[in-house]
Amino acid sequence: DAKTTQPPSMDCAEGRAANLPCNHSTISGNEYVYWYRQIHSQGPQYIIHGLKNNETNEMASLIITEDRKSSTLILPHATLRDTAVYYCIVGQGAQKLVFGQGTRLTINP
Amino acid sequence: NAGVMQNPRHLVRRRGQEARLRCSPMKGHSHVYWYRQLPEEGLKFMVYLQKENIIDESGMPKERFSAEFPKEGPSILRIQQVVRGDSAAYFCATSSQSTDTQYFGPGTRLTVL
Repeated sequence: DAKTTQPPSMDCAEGRAANLPCNHSTISGNEYVYWYRQIHSQGPQYIIHGLKNNETNEMASLIITEDRKSSTLILPHATLRDTAVYYCIVGQGAQKLVFGQGTRLTINP
Repeated sequence: NAGVMQNPRHLVRRRGQEARLRCSPMKGHSHVYWYRQLPEEGLKFMVYLQKENIIDESGMPKERFSAEFPKEGPSILRIQQVVRGDSAAYFCATSSQSTDTQYFGPGTRLTVL
């Protein structure tokens, strides 16, 4: 079973920031938080991951709470191409990823 | 840099036939993971392999399914005597030893008639 809880769906206006929450209250000290997305039926695309500190790359930012029990993925300027199912996954590297149902994010024009 | 490659992208088989799905890792990657996504469902882990070794096959069905990652060549997921319930998208992901992020291929969509 997935160790994360995400809202099933969210909407965001094009050009605005999309903030996707994830709860992972049972995360272990050595487990990372990974975010992937799946656009339509394509292969999952890696977005970002983090352990304790906030992370930023060219795609998104990841904000992890101090107690590590929750995190937020931020897409700073959402475009229509960001419409996808977003998966928040916790785990250690080089181990199987356990996918939950994810959040279906719809970007509206 | 070439990404993770999978072939074929689409595969149609009749019940009882064999299906062979191939996954070529990204350059420098020696870890391969196979996942299955049934229609309208999430991805489920099947098996994790390193070169010539199966590390974790806890998600593999007990019968008809096997996987290998030989010293040379791609990883292969083999499904014998396919049934309609095997129709799904099969994704492989690969990772390197130094960085553990898994990168996914485009998937193989298997349809069993």
